[in-house]
Amino acid sequence: NAGVTQTPKFRILKIGQSMTLQCTQDMNHNYMYWYRQDPGMGLKLIYYSVGAGITDKGEVPNGYNVSRSTTEDFPLRLELAAPSQTSVYFCASRPDLIYGYTFGSGTRLTVV
Amino acid sequence: EDQVTQSPEALRLQEGESSSLNCSYTVSGLRGLFWYRQDPGKGPEFLFTLYSAGEEKEKERLKATLTKKESFLHITAPKPEDSATYLCAVQARGGSNYKLTFGKGTLLTVNP
Repeated sequence: NAGVTQTPKFRILKIGQSMTLQCTQDMNHNYMYWYRQDPGMGLKLIYYSVGAGITDKGEVPNGYNVSRSTTEDFPLRLELAAPSQTSVYFCASRPDLIYGYTFGSGTRLTVV
Repeated sequence: EDQVTQSPEALRLQEGESSSLNCSYTVSGLRGLFWYRQDPGKGPEFLFTLYSAGEEKEKERLKATLTKKESFLHITAPKPEDSATYLCAVQARGGSNYKLTFGKGTLLTVNP
């Protein structure tokens, strides 16, 4: 049981480049989430999904996009990277709303 | 809007010196309150879920309690390995509430 797997662990992007942060879970969880964590700001929700084919915006969705074609995978797409997207990104999942999240180990992204 | 406030922002203890972390919350009906531990460079790790006022959960040197307005994480005789950031989060009731709302965390340092 791998849990929630995020790749890559680290990435440096140039302004204007695009990339996809990968997230896969092997626990058959319906709910999946993308957060960003900045120093002193806590965890901010970017996008979430309640099941395959269903996604919705969180608090800070601008500059990001997601898809959920399978239960297992929930990739986060960054188009036209900006320095403001420098952050640590966490993917999380849970089976139902009464349970807490299982988090991945994070992706540290720097945009220069 | 759901809100979670954690205090203090940072706490420094000597090994063996017991203390408590506070999590105050405002939510339109609480479905659950969650405590996480986060080590530097890692994803948050689930500790406890509390569902109703008066509930308590324990794990080793940690004990979480819940009232209608706040939760406490009591740390008894802490050790240096308890040093981490502790995060509190709430899940509200209601059909469209699919996310956890997190506090900014308390950075705990335990000196030997």
